[in-house]
Amino acid sequence: DIQMTQSPSTLSASVGDRVTITCRASQSINKWLAWYQQKPGKAPTLLIYKASNLQSGVPSRFSGSGSGTEFTLTISSLQPDDFATYYCQQYNTYFRTFGQGTKVDIK
Amino acid sequence: QVQLVESGGGVVQPGKSLRLSCAASGFTFSRSGMHWVRQTPDKGLEWVAVIYFDGIHKFYTDSVKGRFNISRDNSKNTLYLQMDSLRAEDTALYYCARDGGPGRRYDSTGFDLWGQGTPVTVSS
Repeated sequence: DIQMTQSPSTLSASVGDRVTITCRASQSINKWLAWYQQKPGKAPTLLIYKASNLQSGVPSRFSGSGSGTEFTLTISSLQPDDFATYYCQQYNTYFRTFGQGTKVDIK
Repeated sequence: QVQLVESGGGVVQPGKSLRLSCAASGFTFSRSGMHWVRQTPDKGLEWVAVIYFDGIHKFYTDSVKGRFNISRDNSKNTLYLQMDSLRAEDTALYYCARDGGPGRRYDSTGFDLWGQGTPVTVSS
């Protein structure tokens, strides 16, 4: 099974900060990676698919990059609505593994 | 509107069964692959199963193989998860989610629509 490891687990930041979250796969997944945002009590929402494609309706301050085993999600200028937990997910195999999540909270 | 609405969750004893449903509306359900995903505070998000648009191809995470069955009725725009031989470790909030494609991995554009979740508690 492919394991997905996110870092950091928690990130404290301020409004306006540039934020980067890393996701590493235990083996190559090419570009088959998605990123999700989840707020407390809500279902996840899709931000990025195929490593770098922005989902329709998602603000352009979100971007994704990477291929193979290392990927990043970047928020160029953190907004109040962005304080949430972020998950990566691989879909290189039918077994669609999620990372353990990165919580972005207020510094 | 475009939405997924889960139902069927509840409290059940170990070894018993439960069937979850997910009613889809506002989009062409028969063209979309569909997934079940569960979430617990300890394990986070865990993918459970996928069924392709045609209802023929199905895949499961190892821990539920042989116990859970994913199915769909495209005439009713409804996804199901039959859960048998339930265990305490199956306790979770269960989401259905739409694949941004027909279900095949390399056609996927992620899980672009999620329901609100239905809670399942397995306890004696």
